[in-house]
This record gives sequence, C-alpha cells and structure tokens, in this order.
Amino acid sequence: DVQMTQSPSTLSASVGDRVTITCRASQYINRWLAWYQQKPGKAPKVLIYKASSLDSGVPSRFSGSGSGTEFTLTISSLQPDDFATYYCQQYNSYWTFGQGTKVEIK
Amino acid sequence: EVQLVESGGGLVQPGGSLRLSCAASGFTVRSNYMTWVRQAPGKGLEWVSVIYNDGTTYYAESLKGRFTISRDNSKNTLDLQMNSLRVEDTAVYYCAKIEGSGWYGAWGQGTLVTVSS
Repeated sequence: DVQMTQSPSTLSASVGDRVTITCRASQYINRWLAWYQQKPGKAPKVLIYKASSLDSGVPSRFSGSGSGTEFTLTISSLQPDDFATYYCQQYNSYWTFGQGTKVEIK
Repeated sequence: EVQLVESGGGLVQPGGSLRLSCAASGFTVRSNYMTWVRQAPGKGLEWVSVIYNDGTTYYAESLKGRFTISRDNSKNTLDLQMNSLRVEDTAVYYCAKIEGSGWYGAWGQGTLVTVSS
C-alpha cells in the first residue's frame, strides 16, 4: 500500500500569507497526485490534479508541484475563504489520502 | 451539471446491515468509474471501494467480504451494501465520480452511518 504523509498537521497563518503544505508518498507515484480542500460539514473539493493541474474554477493563488514521492501545495496569498483542511491523494495504485492539514487563522 | 446525492444512512446496531445509494444526474453512472469514500468523525478520508465502467470492483483490504459496491443502471445510481457492520464503520460516506486518470472530480454531500448499540 502507498502511504501518504502530510506536513504540517496544523498550520496557523494570516490573510495574505504564503502557505506551503508538503505531501510525501511512501513509494514512487509519478505525478498521480491530487489536492482537495474540505470545509467543516462539507464534502471535499478538488483543487489540483496530476500534481500541478488546476481544476476548473479554482483560483490561481493555488498551485501544486512535485513528482515521484514529494509534492507541495502552495497558496500564494491566503484569503479568508481558504481557512479549511487540505488533503493530498495518490491515485497511482488505488487511492490513499494524507492525514490532512488544517489551515487556521493565526 | 453533475450532481451526486447520497441516501440510506442512519443508526444501525453492530452486526447489522445498511444499504447506501447515490443518485447521479448530469452523467451516466455505468459509463464512468465511481467510488465510495468515508470519513470517521473528526478523522481523515479513507477510500472504501470502486466500480469501473466495465463492472470491475475493488475494495479496501480492511473491508473485503463485508461491503459490496454495485450500480443500478435503470436508476442511474451507485450503491453500497454494508454487512456485519462494526462500531469503527461509523462515518460519513461519500460517493464520488472519478475523472481522468483517477482524481475525484465530483462528490456527493455525504450520508452519516452510525453503528452503535
């Protein structure tokens, strides 16, 4: 099984900050990685797929990078609507999610 | 517009059964890869099962033999039959439509399953 490890688990930031979340895979997954945003009581929503492709309608302040086993999600300038929990997901071999990163207000 | 609406959740005793359904609109379930994902209270996301457009099914190793994924082509729904339920199966269950090479492009709102005596 492919294990996904996100860091940090919690991130305190202010509006306007640049935020980076890291996701590491336990084995090579090429670029088969997606990022999701989830708000309390809501279903997750895809932000990024294939490591760096922005899904339709997702603001350009979100970006993804990486390949192989190490990936990052960057929010260039944090907005009030961005306080949420973020998950990475590999889809190279079945599907596995990271444990999540909660972005909270500093 | 793609829409997914889950139903069938509720309270069930340990050892009991429940059948979840996911009604799809805006696309045809049988032509797509579809999946179930769950989220225990306050926890992360866990893949449960997938059904491919050719009918092939896969399950998370920990669930094999207890859960069965299927689809009803006449109703355009995705179903999940859950048997021998355990307290640790308590979670919100989401259905999702798989896009491209495997990411989840559309999700339902989720349905809560509570396994408790």
